[in-house]
Amino acid sequence: DADVTQTPRNRITKTGKRIMLECSQTKGHDRMYWYRQDPGLGLRLIYYSFDVKDINKGEISDGYSVSRQAQAKFSLSLESAIPNQTALYFCATSDLAGGISIGELFFGEGSRLTVL
Amino acid sequence: AQTVTQSQPEMSVQEAETVTLSCTYDTSESNYYLFWYKQPPSRQMILVIRQEAYKQQNATENRFSVNFQKAAKSFSLKISDSQLGDTAMYFCAFMGETSGSRLTFGEGTQLTVNP
Repeated sequence: DADVTQTPRNRITKTGKRIMLECSQTKGHDRMYWYRQDPGLGLRLIYYSFDVKDINKGEISDGYSVSRQAQAKFSLSLESAIPNQTALYFCATSDLAGGISIGELFFGEGSRLTVL
Repeated sequence: AQTVTQSQPEMSVQEAETVTLSCTYDTSESNYYLFWYKQPPSRQMILVIRQEAYKQQNATENRFSVNFQKAAKSFSLKISDSQLGDTAMYFCAFMGETSGSRLTFGEGTQLTVNP
């Protein structure tokens, strides 16, 4: 099984619908992230969390919210989806410790969201 | 704020040849880390190589090596003996010492290895 699991893998929805993307991890990492990938723009950080009680906005948080239900679970919500939120969404984790693993993100397989 | 720029949206190379992907960055931080991530058609993001800015020696991982020019703020990836499995989107990424492990990614370069 994957260390970082995202559900759903693919989703098509309509404008105005509420959508939740879920992420769970078995790596035991404290730090979790949600990124959005768009063609020609790379990956941009939406929200991140360094532990269960810590939630921080990234560079493009407008229109999104998150919930860190447990160390292993970090969900991203779109309260009212709009077409320009059509993108590939990635959840990632990283280890608090430095050393050899510093900066290495462990990614899920991505959730492709299409908003019509 | 730091920025990462990859000026080559697409590149192609023949199998067994060498290719270099370019990346430039801008930052005011004195210590930082640079990365190349690979995204094959499966969408999975995979760390290819990491460079610590305070280390003068360029990082190498098997067929992958970097040319890190700190003064020029340049961080290129060289892939030797290209293989069909190297076909992927490649992202350059930056993490400053004060970033709290948040990465800033470039736009990506789509590399195609032709048989």
